[in-house]
Amino acid sequence: GAGVSQSPSNKVTEKGKDVELRCDPISGHTALYWYRQSLGQGLEFLIYFQGNSAPDKSGLPSDRFSAERTGGSVSTLTIQRTQQEDSAVYLCASSRDRVYEQYFGPGTRLTVT
Amino acid sequence: GESVGLHLPTLSVQEGDNSIINCAYSNSASDYFIWYKQESGKGPQFIIDIRSNMDKRQGQRVTVLLNKTVKHLSLQIAATQPGDSAVYFCAEFKGRGSTLGRLYFGRGTQLTVWP
Repeated sequence: GAGVSQSPSNKVTEKGKDVELRCDPISGHTALYWYRQSLGQGLEFLIYFQGNSAPDKSGLPSDRFSAERTGGSVSTLTIQRTQQEDSAVYLCASSRDRVYEQYFGPGTRLTVT
Repeated sequence: GESVGLHLPTLSVQEGDNSIINCAYSNSASDYFIWYKQESGKGPQFIIDIRSNMDKRQGQRVTVLLNKTVKHLSLQIAATQPGDSAVYFCAEFKGRGSTLGRLYFGRGTQLTVWP
């Protein structure tokens, strides 16, 4: 079946602009996670959604970052007024029953110039 | 605070040898420990998990060992192949059961397999 998809695969934006990153999870997966990965680094947790529960936003680095999940499926991560330090690969993952077994998308590489 | 770290950032092995990737953790309250593999340009891929009340778990060519006394986790790969070359991350899972919670990832170990 289809895996997790993310779009765009690459995004170059100017400092100060807003960007939206999209994630399509695997059908039927109730949990959805966003991570950020800087070059040569580990995965930094940003936010996660589980079913109808309130999202865990504890990893969002600033109020410029927000995310929503519509209809329990597609999710959008929005970064407002982008800064150069926002440059990274943004990864989305989804899971079903065992939420520690996460299926990752290929990521969106964001470059802020 | 919480941390999941790795002893070695890089590991080089010859094809056919066994590989051992190590990980230290500091939080004893984690429910599960997990290993992920990330190939270049791709998202991480789940390899194997071990529940906190277990010491050892085996999969296909991989074995995970958990030593709670010294808070140490290891991934053993038997007969390492070129396709095993990747960055390996250990992660802790903390939550309620297995259906609600989040992962805490370490920095990763780059495994390189040479012929």
